[in-house]
Amino acid sequence: GDSVTQMEGPVTLSEEAFLTINCTYTATGYPSLFWYVQYPGEGLQLLLKATKADDKGSNKGFEATYRKETTSFHLEKGSVQVSDSAVYFCALSLNYGQNFVFGPGTRLSVLP
Amino acid sequence: GAVVSQHPSRVICKSGTSVKIECRSLDFQATTMFWYRQFPKQSLMLMATSNEGSKATYEQGVEKDKFLINHASLTLSTLTVTSAHPEDSSFYICSARDRGGASSGNTIYFGEGSWLTVV
Repeated sequence: GDSVTQMEGPVTLSEEAFLTINCTYTATGYPSLFWYVQYPGEGLQLLLKATKADDKGSNKGFEATYRKETTSFHLEKGSVQVSDSAVYFCALSLNYGQNFVFGPGTRLSVLP
Repeated sequence: GAVVSQHPSRVICKSGTSVKIECRSLDFQATTMFWYRQFPKQSLMLMATSNEGSKATYEQGVEKDKFLINHASLTLSTLTVTSAHPEDSSFYICSARDRGGASSGNTIYFGEGSWLTVV
């Protein structure tokens, strides 16, 4: 079946450090790929998305490129801030945002 | 922006009782809402898809008689956990798709989630 694998957390970084959260997927079709973020006490928020191979999603300094050859969608940010501390979920959808398959989430803590 | 609100955010109930969780779309109409469950250190798992005015579609392994879903209006879906047991303790989160469809970007909005503890 379809699945999403993320690097296990928690990830702890100092402010202004470079961030990479790895995400790989298995899907029977051609999924859309998403990164969602959950800040403490809040719901999931869409961070960025990509709908086809080689697309790059970007938002708030975060980027992820849809790599079909490696079935990956790694999340990167050049310089993290304390306010980026949250749980990040990689997800796929085979019917564009209908039902999702989520990764387990990666908790990021950024220290001042 | 569009907001989906869940209530309650945290609830503790006694084993054997029922508890209802509400999911409301506050500024848009949602013909479809989704219910997910997340056990500790595990991923969000889709439980069921709720369509306004019709029966919910449950994922394999989810007991429809235990997790009652009602989507009576375009802005409200409810999940009732009946005869709750400690193993039902989990984080439940809903999402809603803007009825606007392609014109709204087929965007899905998530609620804040509800922590259920059954004692």
